[in-house]
Amino acid sequence: DQQVKQNSPSLSVQEGRISILNCDYTNSMFDYFLWYKKYPAEGPTFLISISSIKDKNEDGRFTVFLNKSAKHLSLHIVPSQPGDSAVYFCAATTTGTASKLTFGTGTRLQVTL
Amino acid sequence: GAVVSQHPSRVICKSGTSVKIECRSLDFQATTMFWYRQFPKQSLMLMATSNEGSKATYEQGVEKDKFLINHASLTLSTLTVTSAHPEDSSFYICSAPKTGAARETQYFGPGTRLLVL
Repeated sequence: DQQVKQNSPSLSVQEGRISILNCDYTNSMFDYFLWYKKYPAEGPTFLISISSIKDKNEDGRFTVFLNKSAKHLSLHIVPSQPGDSAVYFCAATTTGTASKLTFGTGTRLQVTL
Repeated sequence: GAVVSQHPSRVICKSGTSVKIECRSLDFQATTMFWYRQFPKQSLMLMATSNEGSKATYEQGVEKDKFLINHASLTLSTLTVTSAHPEDSSFYICSAPKTGAARETQYFGPGTRLLVL
């Protein structure tokens, strides 16, 4: 049972344009959401997060939007850069689960010149 | 940022043998570490939570006798795949949350690719 889903396995965006990565979840107990970036042969690195009490969190070029009623979140990267090319994982957790993360299947972003 | 290392990065073994993977937090102490497995084009699946000084907690469907976890110290957790079979071939990643830090500061190791022949 995949509780966190990323339905787009890949995305290609031109440099300078906006990249939008989507994530859906089914477990209404999730109250904290994170995005991780992963390069090949490396572990995921934390990118940005959002608490369920907010609907938006921004950090530089990265903005995460949360729509609780739709159980949907998205990561916006603007402007996209070639160095952003990686696999992006959405993850969710619940208060009290001691950092246990449930990951989505990932979206491979390719930023082209 | 904090660093988590894994050793080995890649291992090939024969079916029936056991393989040990180490996960170390290099510059912080971790009372808890997590072990994940990732199959190709799939999500990272949490296998177990490694607890320093006590038994590991396994996720549903993960055989504790097959995947032995030992959290020997505040900086080291080991995962031993016993009697490995080809279906155990996967990418194994550990992570460690830094105690006292914000919830998002969970640091991942670089992963270990296991191939069982």
